[in-house]
Amino acid sequence: QLQLQESGPGLVKPSETLSLTCTVSGGSIRSSSYYWGWIRQPPGKGLEWIASIHYSGSTYYNPSLKSRATISVDRSKNQFSLKLSPVTAADTAFYYCTKLTGRPVDAFDIWGQGTMVTVSS
Amino acid sequence: DIQMTQSPSSVSASVGDRVTITCRASQGINSWLAWYQQKPGKAPKLLIYAASSLQSGVPSRFSGSGSGTEFTLTISSLQPEDFATYHCQQANSFPYTFGQGTKLEIK
Repeated sequence: QLQLQESGPGLVKPSETLSLTCTVSGGSIRSSSYYWGWIRQPPGKGLEWIASIHYSGSTYYNPSLKSRATISVDRSKNQFSLKLSPVTAADTAFYYCTKLTGRPVDAFDIWGQGTMVTVSS
Repeated sequence: DIQMTQSPSSVSASVGDRVTITCRASQGINSWLAWYQQKPGKAPKLLIYAASSLQSGVPSRFSGSGSGTEFTLTISSLQPEDFATYHCQQANSFPYTFGQGTKLEIK
């Protein structure tokens, strides 16, 4: 059974870089059909899609993040990662790593448990 | 970007009630819409994809319908475990976007 697990610092200072990693277990990140990605949710607010990546390196980003986000994949470790820089207090949120079912349906069918990231000095 | 608007933002209902939540897209998205259930402190869980297809393991009291710009999620007979927040998401085009959520509370 495919599972996702986020890891990374829970506290980041303003203007610095938020770095998160998602480890895929119970399956391979090399599936030709799937995109892997990140979604965030500020406490008490709605969901925002950040970015998605295919194991081949093909990526999609949310333009609202204005090029601050970088998503990457490490096939040897069965992991994918997110970097967001520079961060502000507005980036404080729960961050979830996710798997997309594949076009054209493209629903997020697998989610990590989520990790809270606070941006504060 | 395609804007997704859910209504109502919150609803109170009783066990056994039938509840319908609406999601409207700012432009046509064919049938590329998903619904998620989120309980406090937990990640969202996929319920419905492609507007009306039930995700494996999801009880049949959940159903979805619609196409184009208007979609509905219906829970036919509320159970205690259904009280949660529900989100819709369009998968027609990037950037994928979500509705603001509908909180389903116990009356």
